[in-house]
Amino acid sequence: NAGVTQTPKFRVLKTGQSMTLLCAQDMNHEYMYWYRQDPGMGLRLIHYSVGEGTTAKGEVPDGYNVSRLKKQNFLLGLESAAPSQTSVYFCASRAGTNDGYTFGSGTRLTVV
Amino acid sequence: SQQGEEDPQALSIQEGENATMNCSYKTSINNLQWYRQNSGRGLVHLILIRSNEREKHSGRLRVTLDTSKKSSSLLITASRAADTASYFCATQAYSGAGSYQLTFGKGTKLSVIP
Repeated sequence: NAGVTQTPKFRVLKTGQSMTLLCAQDMNHEYMYWYRQDPGMGLRLIHYSVGEGTTAKGEVPDGYNVSRLKKQNFLLGLESAAPSQTSVYFCASRAGTNDGYTFGSGTRLTVV
Repeated sequence: SQQGEEDPQALSIQEGENATMNCSYKTSINNLQWYRQNSGRGLVHLILIRSNEREKHSGRLRVTLDTSKKSSSLLITASRAADTASYFCATQAYSGAGSYQLTFGKGTKLSVIP
């Protein structure tokens, strides 16, 4: 069992470029999440999904879009990257309401 | 917005000692969870305590929850150098439309000195 896999692990973008971060889970979890982690800020929720074909905004959704076309995949897109989006991005999934979250190993994104 | 606030922000102890970290939160929760993050790695789920539970154990970990004070504590007994990591408190609360969200604190950085 791979758990939650994030690709890529590292990326450097120029301001204005676009990219997609991929999250894949093999645990048949319904719920998937994208967080960003910044120094001194803890983790903040960007977008989440409660099942295939659904998405919803979290605490800091501006500048990001998401899609959940397949149950196992949750994509995070940056249409026009900004330096403020420099961060470490984590994907997570869970099974039920009272289950812990399984996190991926993160994507370190730098926007210059 | 950060729901949970951990205290202390940093903690340094000798191997073999116990480590206690505290978490306070502001609103009603469904459950409270603790996670560990080693430097440069993803978060690992340690333990979950439901709002109707007061104490839970898992190996060397003991978690308490006081919903009247909106606070929780994580105790790691007989610490080891391998316990060196950041520990995060996360509260799960109902966010409407049948969904729950998990909100993280800023973490406690624990250093265990061999």
